[in-house]
Amino acid sequence: AQSVTQPDIHITVSEGASLELRCNYSYGATPYLFWYVQSPGQGLQLLLKYFSGDTLVQGIKGFEAEFKRSQSSFNLRKPSVHWSDAAEYFCAVGVGEEYGNKLVFGAGTILRVKS
Amino acid sequence: NAGVTQTPKFRILKIGQSMTLQCTQDMNHNYMYWYRQDPGMGLKLIYYSVGAGITDKGEVPNGYNVSRSTTEDFPLRLELAAPSQTSVYFCASSYGGVSEKLFFGSGTQLSVL
Repeated sequence: AQSVTQPDIHITVSEGASLELRCNYSYGATPYLFWYVQSPGQGLQLLLKYFSGDTLVQGIKGFEAEFKRSQSSFNLRKPSVHWSDAAEYFCAVGVGEEYGNKLVFGAGTILRVKS
Repeated sequence: NAGVTQTPKFRILKIGQSMTLQCTQDMNHNYMYWYRQDPGMGLKLIYYSVGAGITDKGEVPNGYNVSRSTTEDFPLRLELAAPSQTSVYFCASSYGGVSEKLFFGSGTQLSVL
């Protein structure tokens, strides 16, 4: 079945360390790919998106993500994590008419930052 | 700019009660969505609308109804509330479809007891 998988439910990193959050999808064609962030008690905010072209995309707050077609992955990275990055991160995939023309979210990864 | 505004922020309902979650946006977006968020499950689409007068079911529509009489407003109605509807509800809007950025409201935390 088609799905969006974020294999890590929780990740804890030290402040200043690098971060990588994983996302894999199982839709056939290259979909629209997004990363959103949700701070406690807030709605979701778009970090970055990929449609086509350069497979490394830059987003807000120093985040970047790399699309790898061969692995059906769109992993989120940050070179140096700040305490304010503690939040929940959602990968989302926009799929076309053959899959119902919808945006499908992964289950989310909770990031904890330790000082 | 207000963006997407949801009310109320919190609500407790008794089983069998009804309520309407309000959502309004001031960005003149055509597309509006209702999601529910349950721990460890991500966001599930309840209903969506591509314009005034047009609504359609998402992944989990049972127990809910919507209407879209204006571009700005997209209320979600819960009839005969059940404990399974305890969740956080988010309204979102976008200019276009699945390729567009979503703008989210701050959510409504609903408990059905």
